[in-house]
Amino acid sequence: GQNIDQPTEMTATEGAIVQINCTYQTSGFNGLFWYQQHAGEAPTFLSYNVLDGLEEKGRFSSFLSRSKGYSYLLLKELQMKDSASYLCAVAGSWGKFQFGAGTQVVVTP
Amino acid sequence: EAQVTQNPRYLITVTGKKLTVTCSQNMNHEYMSWYRQDPGLGLRQIYYSMNVEVTDKGDVPEGYKVSRKEKRNFPLILESPSPNQTSLYFCASSLVSEETQYFGPGTRLLVL
Repeated sequence: GQNIDQPTEMTATEGAIVQINCTYQTSGFNGLFWYQQHAGEAPTFLSYNVLDGLEEKGRFSSFLSRSKGYSYLLLKELQMKDSASYLCAVAGSWGKFQFGAGTQVVVTP
Repeated sequence: EAQVTQNPRYLITVTGKKLTVTCSQNMNHEYMSWYRQDPGLGLRQIYYSMNVEVTDKGDVPEGYKVSRKEKRNFPLILESPSPNQTSLYFCASSLVSEETQYFGPGTRLLVL
């Protein structure tokens, strides 16, 4: 079957680093996306990986290992505004998209 | 301003009363998709469209219809809504299917 797993919730303090893991099993693979979603709002794009390795964008980095079906999103120098849900999504074959249930990150002072 | 718009943003209706949620994008994107979001389940794809007149089922298509007669519009139709379709609905678009999707603001639907 097709499955995307990520932790339900993570808590970290302001200024710290948090790593959100995502494992996937899908019938096709055309890239892995990370989105951020604040409560009551639409998801917004954070990062994209299609080849193995690390992609860095400011305080956010994302890693992909296609052979292991594994990705992580790294959030550095956490700020209060980073409190949100982080969604892992896989672009499958022929336009299909699958999302994980999301990881709620709580940043404490 | 590049955007995806959805209407209505909020809707309360009764079982069996047909409704349409509109979605429009002004970015000349080929790919459009509808999702529903429910607590603990994340975003689930309902239908998607790779281009005009090309639509396909996602993971949860039952009870929904779509059409793509023009590139910019991708309406979601609930012919006979039921309470289990109460949810938060998002429309999204991207240049092509493998690219970043841009989401509309969401439509919160309550079916009584």
